[in-house]
Amino acid sequence: EPEVTQTPSHQVTQMGQEVILRCVPISNHLYFYWYRQILGQKVEFLVSFYNNEISEKSEIFDDQFSVERPDGSNFTLKIRSTKLEDSAMYFCASSEEGRDNEKLFFGSGTQLSVL
Amino acid sequence: SQKIEQNSEALNIQEGKTATLTCNYTNYSPAYLQWYRQDPGRGPVFLLLIRENEKEKRKERLKVTFDTTLKQSLFHITASQPADSATYLCARVTDKLIFGTGTRLQVFP
Repeated sequence: EPEVTQTPSHQVTQMGQEVILRCVPISNHLYFYWYRQILGQKVEFLVSFYNNEISEKSEIFDDQFSVERPDGSNFTLKIRSTKLEDSAMYFCASSEEGRDNEKLFFGSGTQLSVL
Repeated sequence: SQKIEQNSEALNIQEGKTATLTCNYTNYSPAYLQWYRQDPGRGPVFLLLIRENEKEKRKERLKVTFDTTLKQSLFHITASQPADSATYLCARVTDKLIFGTGTRLQVFP
């Protein structure tokens, strides 16, 4: 079965540094998402992306966050100036058409640790 | 506000028994609910989707029900096995997928 791949699997950074998390969605999928999960908490929606634009974002996704599809295969999440509370597992997901009755395919995540 | 809640944080059952997990939603009427499995350190994996006009959906040992009167979905695993041990997430779909808190299922031999 096709997979969403995420790199790196672990990222350690100093507070205030910029990080870029990378994702390769499934090739024929058109909708892309970022979720995060703080240790022991629920999986939280951050942002959805379609046709090179953000289609929806949560209140967590503030000005420190940005997303980009720099080429035909990659989808990135940038955190401009990391804070301690950004430490979490970040999941990328994709879906084919973004319909309500469609399942999402998730990557294995990037564990971000901010020191 | 619209909420989706999974009442049990953890459920322990013996191998061979049926596990039943509960998902409740308030202040809205979803057209669909989805169920996912999450293993430690991994992303959620889709299991089943049920529509509001479907009472029940089955896939192998899995069964999901949707009761719009009670505003509740039940997720059953029959003949449970230790390999079924994981966190199970229900998710509502509006214009984005929103997850409940999850129920951690432990099946012991």
